[in-house]
Amino acid sequence: NAGVMQNPRHLVRRRGQEARLRCSPMKGHSHVYWYRQLPEEGLKFMVYLQKENIIDESGMPKERFSAEFPKEGPSILRIQQVVRGDSAAYFCASSPPIRASTDTQYFGPGTRLTVL
Amino acid sequence: AQKITQTQPGMFVQEKEAVTLDCTYDTSDPSYGLFWYKQPSSGEMIFLIYQGSYDQQNATEGRYSLNFQKARKSANLVISASQLGDSAMYFCAMREVEGGSEKLVFGKGTKLTVNP
Repeated sequence: NAGVMQNPRHLVRRRGQEARLRCSPMKGHSHVYWYRQLPEEGLKFMVYLQKENIIDESGMPKERFSAEFPKEGPSILRIQQVVRGDSAAYFCASSPPIRASTDTQYFGPGTRLTVL
Repeated sequence: AQKITQTQPGMFVQEKEAVTLDCTYDTSDPSYGLFWYKQPSSGEMIFLIYQGSYDQQNATEGRYSLNFQKARKSANLVISASQLGDSAMYFCAMREVEGGSEKLVFGKGTKLTVNP
């Protein structure tokens, strides 16, 4: 049973370019969450999606950032016109559609974005 | 808004000894869940243990146990018989459920170093 998969694991972009981060949730999971971890910090919530729906994007910067989770295929976090401050580790997590209170979110290995 | 506080930026412990990592939380919700994650130098987030606010007993999972003191709003992680492989960042998190959304709120973490 494969875990949450993220690719690429490392991504280098120059200022002004676009970054696309992909996340495939665990099999059977229909809920996806994106978190950002700045250096020396804990993870900060960005967005919560279900298939074809954005449930909560309260943690997402208003400009340049967008996320989707289409009916088919992985969830995508897209950052347009990247700036140096976007350099961080971006984690995706997933959870099943029906779950007990004890169920955690299962995290992928993260994508380390470096903006030059 | 919920808040997680980890007051120990770094902790040191001798191999085979026990160590306690502190976590306090702030919430007005009567029902909540608390999680601990381990992040080794490789970067992935590994779920360790969960404590529900209504659980009668402290959670245990192998060498990990949670010292849950509800009145003090603390959920300290105890690692017994420390091993060199326990050296990592440790994050305390709380599940926040609000208005149909759900997210994890993380503390800033504690860096644990196990000395031989």
